[in-house]
Amino acid sequence: DAGVIQSPRHEVTEMGQEVTLRCKPISGHNSLFWYRQTMMRGLELLIYFNNNVPIDDSGMPEDRFSAKMPNASFSTLKIQPSEPRDSAVYFCASSVRGTGLDEQFFGPGTRLTVL
Amino acid sequence: AQSVSQHNHHVILSEAASLELGCNYSYGGTVNLFWYVQYPGQHLQLLLKYFSGDPLVKGIKGFEAEFIKSKFSFNLRKPSVQWSDTAEYFCAVNTGFQKLVFGTGTRLLVSP
Repeated sequence: DAGVIQSPRHEVTEMGQEVTLRCKPISGHNSLFWYRQTMMRGLELLIYFNNNVPIDDSGMPEDRFSAKMPNASFSTLKIQPSEPRDSAVYFCASSVRGTGLDEQFFGPGTRLTVL
Repeated sequence: AQSVSQHNHHVILSEAASLELGCNYSYGGTVNLFWYVQYPGQHLQLLLKYFSGDPLVKGIKGFEAEFIKSKFSFNLRKPSVQWSDTAEYFCAVNTGFQKLVFGTGTRLLVSP
């Protein structure tokens, strides 16, 4: 199993540009999570999906952030327009079921730098 | 809102020393508890988890954690650390439907 796949691994962009982060969850997993990791705030849950449906997006910082999951094997997190304070590592994770009892498997992360 | 506190932000130990990393959470109801580890340049991996039953949980690589409900704590321990344990360790709490709340992490450096 390839695990959770994220792309790109690194992204450097200029303020105001649109950024799209991609995630492929583990096959057969029904839940997908987007996290942001910064030195100041640690790991924060941005949004999660169950069976491709967004369940809780209360962690999305503002309207510049949006996430979609068009099918069970793909999700995107988009930032438009990007700002320097968005610089962070963004992790995607997936789990088998939406019961709270399952381990979340994390991807390698995307390190985003907004200049 | 639920929160998780990891009071030790940085810990430096010599090989063979014993390790205990603190984790406290603020939630009065039923919780599921996790410790994740992030080795340098790698993604987060599960070390161990507690859902119910024996409050002393054993995980991979010789780690264990003890859930003390009265203290709202879930401290991570290892009797003898190795250089390869150098990593960042995250405590996490699940109080509801799949939503994990993470602590800010503890960076452990083990010197050979």
